[in-house]
Amino acid sequence: EVQLVESGGGLVQPGGSLRLSCVASGFTFSGYNMHWVRQAPGKGPKYVSAIAGDGGSTYYANSVKGRFTISRDNSKNTLYLQMGSLRAEDMAVYFCAREREYCDSTKCYLYFDYWGQGTLVTVSS
Amino acid sequence: DIQLTQSPSSLSASVGDRVTITCRASQSISTYLNWYQQKPGKAPDVLIYAASNLQSGVPSRFSGSGSGTDFTLTISSLQPEDFATYYCQQSYSTPRTFGPGTKLEIK
Repeated sequence: EVQLVESGGGLVQPGGSLRLSCVASGFTFSGYNMHWVRQAPGKGPKYVSAIAGDGGSTYYANSVKGRFTISRDNSKNTLYLQMGSLRAEDMAVYFCAREREYCDSTKCYLYFDYWGQGTLVTVSS
Repeated sequence: DIQLTQSPSSLSASVGDRVTITCRASQSISTYLNWYQQKPGKAPDVLIYAASNLQSGVPSRFSGSGSGTDFTLTISSLQPEDFATYYCQQSYSTPRTFGPGTKLEIK
């Protein structure tokens, strides 16, 4: 059974740092691109960051570029998000998600087929 | 970034109704469009991927269609467990943007 379990959320002051973890099980972790998506209270999901299966490439939303760092340890089946210079607008539930690839006869498509339960990050003084 | 809009933003319907939700992309995304259902306090669950492919385990009353810039999610006969918020998401390019959501409520 595929499972993604996030941890590391909590209350942090503006300007502070936090590291989120997402432990994966039930699949070959290194074979999948992994993503972080966040959702502020009462809002829709917002894309945060992504990392390739081998960790060789990463992507960041403009809103977090330079402040957040995504990484992974395939030997530990764990995805990380190091968050720094936190702002009030970073307050949200953070989800990790596995990206699945589906290919038909002509194209390959990507979608998030498994998500963690989420971990809440609160930024407040 | 590709922007997605959804209509309506909220919808009241009754059990047994047929419901259609629309998603429009700011540029052509072929069929790189996914639909998710989210219930309060839970992560989103994929319903439809690549515009029209039903995810394994999802009831057949859900269907998706469209290509280019205009897409629809249809629920053929609403069940009590379908009252939730629905999001479209594009996977044509990074960032994989989401629509603002459609909240489906019980009439």
